[in-house]
Amino acid sequence: ETGVTQTPRHLVMGMTNKKSLKCEQHLGHNAMYWYKQSAKKPLELMFVYSLEERVENNSVPSRFSPECPNSSHLFLHLHTLQPEDSALYLCASSQDRGDYEQYFGPGTRLTVT
Amino acid sequence: GENVEQHPSTLSVQEGDSAVIKCTYSDSASNYFPWYKQELGKRPQLIIDIRSNVGEKKDQRIAVTLNKTAKHFSLHITETQPEDSAVYFCAASLGGSQGNLIFGKGTKLSVKP
Repeated sequence: ETGVTQTPRHLVMGMTNKKSLKCEQHLGHNAMYWYKQSAKKPLELMFVYSLEERVENNSVPSRFSPECPNSSHLFLHLHTLQPEDSALYLCASSQDRGDYEQYFGPGTRLTVT
Repeated sequence: GENVEQHPSTLSVQEGDSAVIKCTYSDSASNYFPWYKQELGKRPQLIIDIRSNVGEKKDQRIAVTLNKTAKHFSLHITETQPEDSAVYFCAASLGGSQGNLIFGKGTKLSVKP
């Protein structure tokens, strides 16, 4: 499947590191999302972008910083993370916000040591 | 905001039996209810959805029912097969251009041959 891709697939970082997750969609969609998936909260919405404008920030700590340079790309910049931030980070896109199917990427498995 | 409760958290059935997963939501204004399936190590994928103007929808062995008065909706899988084994997530959304999907915590379905 090549609709929504994410890199890297796995990432191990120390608490003082700075890293970025990348998401790319080839579907011509207008909305993109970041989700955090962990055992405690299986699909937790973090950020929503619509037409490259951030429209939702679900009280996410500032150590997570999203960026959407164009409608096809979405980044999640990480700095000074905590061990509890270890999780699977999923990117998704949809035609628009609302009642449209969301297409998920394969995720980035993040481990913070 | 919207809150979605999903039950059971785990479900084990024999191949050929039926499986039912139930969800309740809190916001009576929600009008879009999708179901996503996530196989082990894979990304979530939409399997069926229903909108508030419909009470039931079927797609081969899968059906979803919606009771707006009681604010609950259910996924029904008939003649289960081992490949149905996965985690199933329900979600609710206000729909339109302002809605975000709020997911339940998931149900791990195991189909034993």
